[in-house]
Amino acid sequence: DGGITQSPKYLFRKEGQNVTLSCEQNLNHDAMYWYRQDPGQGLRLIYYSQIVNDFQKGDIAEGYSVSREKKESFPLTVTSAQKNPTAFYLCASSAPLAGGREQYFGPGTRLTVT
Amino acid sequence: GESVGLHLPTLSVQEGDNSIINCAYSNSASDYFIWYKQESGKGPQFIIDIRSNMDKRQGQRVTVLLNKTVKHLSLQIAATQPGDSAVYFCAETFAKNSSASKIIFGSGTRLSIRP
Repeated sequence: DGGITQSPKYLFRKEGQNVTLSCEQNLNHDAMYWYRQDPGQGLRLIYYSQIVNDFQKGDIAEGYSVSREKKESFPLTVTSAQKNPTAFYLCASSAPLAGGREQYFGPGTRLTVT
Repeated sequence: GESVGLHLPTLSVQEGDNSIINCAYSNSASDYFIWYKQESGKGPQFIIDIRSNMDKRQGQRVTVLLNKTVKHLSLQIAATQPGDSAVYFCAETFAKNSSASKIIFGSGTRLSIRP
């Protein structure tokens, strides 16, 4: 089955620790995205990547870092510099067709930092 | 500035009736408007989009209407079913010659279905 996998589903960390969220896709999509969703709110773009070894900051990139060494993988690191890291994190990918408007989302990782 | 918002945070509809979810936007420069559906605990799912030079587009059981005069977008769901229960997001984006789109999401409307 083709799709996007995110792991783990739930993640707990202590304040001050960096944590890396996994995102893998086997859809052969060039573009990948990371979003953050807070309770009762829409999605906000953290980073996106149009192609391997390239990525761009989104609207809320501060305190986060990414890498895109492989087409199928786009891990997100939440650093200790992120002031409010507790949130639901969603990864997505898109094909060039439709200019990236139809994005395919993974199931998300709920990160809790205490 | 850029913003996509919704008139109502929640909507309750009788099963079998039609649902209408509304959205206001402020950026006239948006090229496309999009609707996503998010079921509880899952990632959003693309429903339908409409280009800014159109006023209506139909999909399977859904219709999106765009009124540029009043900057209003709506999603109509025909014969609402229990499986339609979800949060619906309107979103906007700008067409560009690349494989990726920066999508700006609104805050969502929760649709609940009464049996």
